[in-house]
Amino acid sequence: GIQVEQSPPDLILQEGANSTLRCNFSDSVNNLQWFHQNPWGQLINLFYIPSGTKQNGRLSATTVATERYSLLYISSSQTTDSGVYFCAVVRGSTLGRLYFGRGTQLTVWP
Amino acid sequence: GAVVSQHPSRVICKSGTSVKIECRSLDFQATTMFWYRQFPKQSLMLMATSNEGSKATYEQGVEKDKFLINHASLTLSTLTVTSAHPEDSSFYICSASRGGRESYGYTFGSGTRLTVV
Repeated sequence: GIQVEQSPPDLILQEGANSTLRCNFSDSVNNLQWFHQNPWGQLINLFYIPSGTKQNGRLSATTVATERYSLLYISSSQTTDSGVYFCAVVRGSTLGRLYFGRGTQLTVWP
Repeated sequence: GAVVSQHPSRVICKSGTSVKIECRSLDFQATTMFWYRQFPKQSLMLMATSNEGSKATYEQGVEKDKFLINHASLTLSTLTVTSAHPEDSSFYICSASRGGRESYGYTFGSGTRLTVV
C-alpha cells in the first residue's frame, strides 16, 4: 500500500501562534483529505485537496501532487484547534480506501 | 450536507455477548461504507469495506466471523461484534463515500466507544 507520513507528530502552541503541518505520501494519489479529530473522537473533514490550494477561514491547505506532499496551515491558533490532525489519501479509484497517516497531535494553550 | 450518523456512541457489554453498531447516511446515498478501528493515540485502521447489496471486503487479519458487516441499503450499514471479549474494546468509526461526487470525499460518523467487561 501507499505510505503516508505526517510531521511533526506532536505540536504545542500558545494561542495566537501559526503552524504548518506536513503530509508526505509515497505514490501518486487521486484524493487527499485533511481531517481534525476532536477530543471526543469525531473526525471533521477540513479539506478535500488532491491538488492546489484551498482556504477556509484560519485554515488553508496546499497539495503539490507532483512532489507528493501536502501542507496544512493554521493561523492565529485557538484552544479549540487542539486535537489530532490526520492526512489521508486514496490511490486508484477516487473513492477507494483511505490510507491514513499517523496524525499530528496539536495542543494549543491559552 | 453529507452527514453520517453512528449509534450508539458508547456501549459497555459483558464478555461473550454481541454488540451491533449502526451507521446511517442521513442526506445522501452511500454506495460504499468503511469501518475503522482506532486504538488510543493511534491512527485509524481499516477493518472492512462494504458495498450495498454485496458482501463486505475485509482487510487482512480482520476476522469476518467476529466482525459481521451488513450493508442492506444505500443509507445503512451495521457492524456486529460477535462474542465480544475485552481485547475487542476499542473506538469504532464508520465512514461513507458519496459515490460519483468526488469533491465531497469521505464523511465520518462520530464513533462508538466499545468497552467489553
